[in-house]
Amino acid sequence: ETGVTQTPRHLVMGMTNKKSLKCEQHLGHNAMYWYKQSAKKPLELMFVYNFKEQTENNSVPSRFSPECPNSSHLFLHLHTLQPEDSALYLCASSQGERFYEQYFGPGTRLTVT
Amino acid sequence: AQKVTQAQTEISVVEKEDVTLDCVYETRDTTYYLFWYKQPPSGELVFLIRRNSFDEQNEISGRYSWNFQKSTSSFNFTITASQVVDSAVYFCALIRTQGGSEKLVFGKGTKLTVNP
Repeated sequence: ETGVTQTPRHLVMGMTNKKSLKCEQHLGHNAMYWYKQSAKKPLELMFVYNFKEQTENNSVPSRFSPECPNSSHLFLHLHTLQPEDSALYLCASSQGERFYEQYFGPGTRLTVT
Repeated sequence: AQKVTQAQTEISVVEKEDVTLDCVYETRDTTYYLFWYKQPPSGELVFLIRRNSFDEQNEISGRYSWNFQKSTSSFNFTITASQVVDSAVYFCALIRTQGGSEKLVFGKGTKLTVNP
């Protein structure tokens, strides 16, 4: 595996379900990011982790809970989501918190029913 | 406040046509970076170019070229002799590099369709 991988690629969940999105980077980076991409809206930065420490929470609702157990893995735990949370969730990584060298994964297409 | 505007929501061209994607930005910072990313149907954003606010030289990379003009706060992207594989959503983005927390601010994207 190379680059940034995300699983699953597609996820359909009900509003009462609990699920997790996984991101793994194989680039030796130490910063990881979650973005939300909704239809007809700009990409929104959700969370930033640098050396496993959360350095940014961009006013994200608590139904989204990130976890970064090490510099290579990033999770986004989902619970009690709303239909408006349906979107493409993109993970990215970079060497340090250098936003201009972010490498993105393919994303998880989430549908909340 | 920082803002990136991509006024063209969708563009459709025929193969081999040249096409320019517009990007206009707003920032109060004197130091910043501008970017273009490509998002093919597979979903992942692919980095195309980064431009420092102090470097106004235009850049050409193969069929791609970028025109950075601080006077008009624009960073336009031109694809020469477009190909079907260029079909994607293209995002312009801005990041500040001084003070406060750094964030990458994206435009809403321009969907380019190149027809054979």
